[in-house]
Amino acid sequence: GDSVTQMEGPVTLSEEAFLTINCTYTATGYPSLFWYVQYPGEGLQLLLKATKADDKGSNKGFEATYRKETTSFHLEKGSVQVSDSAVYFCAQGGKLIFGQGTELSVKP
Amino acid sequence: EAQVTQNPRYLITVTGKKLTVTCSQNMNHEYMSWYRQDPGLGLRQIYYSMNVEVTDKGDVPEGYKVSRKEKRNFPLILESPSPNQTSLYFCASSLGTGIGDTQYFGPGTRLTVL
Repeated sequence: GDSVTQMEGPVTLSEEAFLTINCTYTATGYPSLFWYVQYPGEGLQLLLKATKADDKGSNKGFEATYRKETTSFHLEKGSVQVSDSAVYFCAQGGKLIFGQGTELSVKP
Repeated sequence: EAQVTQNPRYLITVTGKKLTVTCSQNMNHEYMSWYRQDPGLGLRQIYYSMNVEVTDKGDVPEGYKVSRKEKRNFPLILESPSPNQTSLYFCASSLGTGIGDTQYFGPGTRLTVL
């Protein structure tokens, strides 16, 4: 069945470091892909999305490109801040199938 | 302000005592859904509703009920809660499930069943 796999956390980085969180999916067809972020004590917020192959979603300095060939949607940010500390979820499809989440901790 | 609201935000109860978690959205969305979040498992869908009076099981529906009598409301009912239903619950809504449709999430309800 359809699924999403994310790199395991927690991920700990120093401020201004480069971030990559890997996400791969299996699906029948070509689903929309999403990254959601959950800040401590809050609900999920949409961070970015892409709806077709080679689309790049971007928001708040984060980017992810829909790669059909590698069935991937890796999240990247060039320079993380302490305020980026959160749990990041990759998801696919209209009914949303989620990965297990990756906790990011950014230290000053 | 466009939002999804849930109540209560926190709930501690005992095994077998029926409870309802309410969910309401003010965006006129057709699609609504309930998820539970557990460590290491991400979010798993419990039930969803494509429109009023139309509900269907998600991946983990056992022990839960829902109803969709009005477009804006989608309560989650636990008729006889058990400790394995201790979890963080999220309600979400969207226009639909088409390409690019985005789900908006409520703030979550943390449930503890003793």
